[in-house]
Amino acid sequence: QVQLQESGPGLVKPSETLSLTCTVSGGSISSSSYFWGWIRQPPGKGLEWIGTIYYSGSTYYNPSLKSRVTISVDTSKNQLSLKLSSVTATDTAMYYCARQYSSSSKALDVWGQGTMVTVSS
Amino acid sequence: SYELTQPPSVSVSPGQTASITCSGDKLGDKYACWYQQKPGQSPVLVIYQDSKRPSGIPERFSGSNSGNTATLTISGTQAMDEADYYCQAWDSSTVLFGGGTNLTVL
Repeated sequence: QVQLQESGPGLVKPSETLSLTCTVSGGSISSSSYFWGWIRQPPGKGLEWIGTIYYSGSTYYNPSLKSRVTISVDTSKNQLSLKLSSVTATDTAMYYCARQYSSSSKALDVWGQGTMVTVSS
Repeated sequence: SYELTQPPSVSVSPGQTASITCSGDKLGDKYACWYQQKPGQSPVLVIYQDSKRPSGIPERFSGSNSGNTATLTISGTQAMDEADYYCQAWDSSTVLFGGGTNLTVL
């Protein structure tokens, strides 16, 4: 049973870079059957896709965040990472990592528990 | 840019059928999926590829997708089904979410 666990600072100062890691257990991040994604949810609001990565390093980003986002994968550690630069209060949210089907449906079938990140000085 | 539109809220009586819609231009040409999210919990995939149920999802959850509308149907709705529901599609190499629908069972 694959599990995902997000980790990283819960508090980030404005203008700094938010950095999170997602550790995958019970399965390989190098599986050709899956992509891996980051999604966020501001308090009381809906889901917003941040980006998706394949183990080969191919990435897909939300156009509205693309200039500030970098997603990478470390296959040796079975981890994916998120970096979001120049954060503001509007980046305050619960951040989730999720496994995503590589087939045409692209559904996100396994989610981590999420980690809350607050942007504040 | 492509958008998915959901009604903000839907109400249903216990035991009745709830239908939640998701609208987008030619959505029927793409695959739609649905997530259930209860307060304080991570989203759970309940329908993928328009109408398929992941393992462990009750049979009362079903989906369809045609034209400009995808629909999540919950038959014999139970109190435990009260939650937010989000539709999602993949378009032009991006993941798109609907704004979410709060389902109230009363």
